[in-house]
Amino acid sequence: GQQLNQSPQSMFIQEGEDVSMNCTSSSIFNTWLWYKQEPGEGPVLLIALYKAGELTSNGRLTAQFGITRKDSFLNISASIPSDVGIYFCAGQLAGSARQLTFGSGTQLTVLP
Amino acid sequence: SAVISQKPSRDICQRGTSLTIQCQVDSQVTMMFWYRQQPGQSLTLIATANQGSEATYESGFVIDKFPISRPNLTFSTLTVSNMSPEDSSIYLCSVEVLAGGNEQYFGPGTRLTVT
Repeated sequence: GQQLNQSPQSMFIQEGEDVSMNCTSSSIFNTWLWYKQEPGEGPVLLIALYKAGELTSNGRLTAQFGITRKDSFLNISASIPSDVGIYFCAGQLAGSARQLTFGSGTQLTVLP
Repeated sequence: SAVISQKPSRDICQRGTSLTIQCQVDSQVTMMFWYRQQPGQSLTLIATANQGSEATYESGFVIDKFPISRPNLTFSTLTVSNMSPEDSSIYLCSVEVLAGGNEQYFGPGTRLTVT
């Protein structure tokens, strides 16, 4: 299937620092979604992006849909301990039947 | 958004047996999906559960191993048949909600351990 390259794989940061992670692909996507998953739970939708160049914020989270439609990034500002979790990007391929392709995830650890 | 529940939340099963996982949504939705998340891994789509017709399976997944039912627009089941330890995973259902575009929301997952 199609691959989404998500980086970094893991991050250890100090509380208060900003975080950036991204997903890239060789394929074009119609939709980019960013999820957070905590242990024992299902992924929770954080931000949805639908247009190339779109920049959307949700509190301290900001995500952008790349101009080429092949990439997306997620920024978290002023991190706090409850930001700990695994962040996944997911994309809906152009022309696909609405299934999502998931990135490999970024494990975020916030140190006090 | 949508509120999704799954039953059971976790189970420990013996190899060779089957387990049926239920997914219930609080509103009618057109698209429902089943995913598998192996330990420490990302999510992989198993199939799209189609209401009133056979599920559409992704490459590597077959109906005999993962039969799916979708009797109405709020409910679906996934059966993991003739289980082996390699089937130990988290199984998640998701639904598509048409908002500004197509957003998918996930249930809490069913954690399956096969011994």
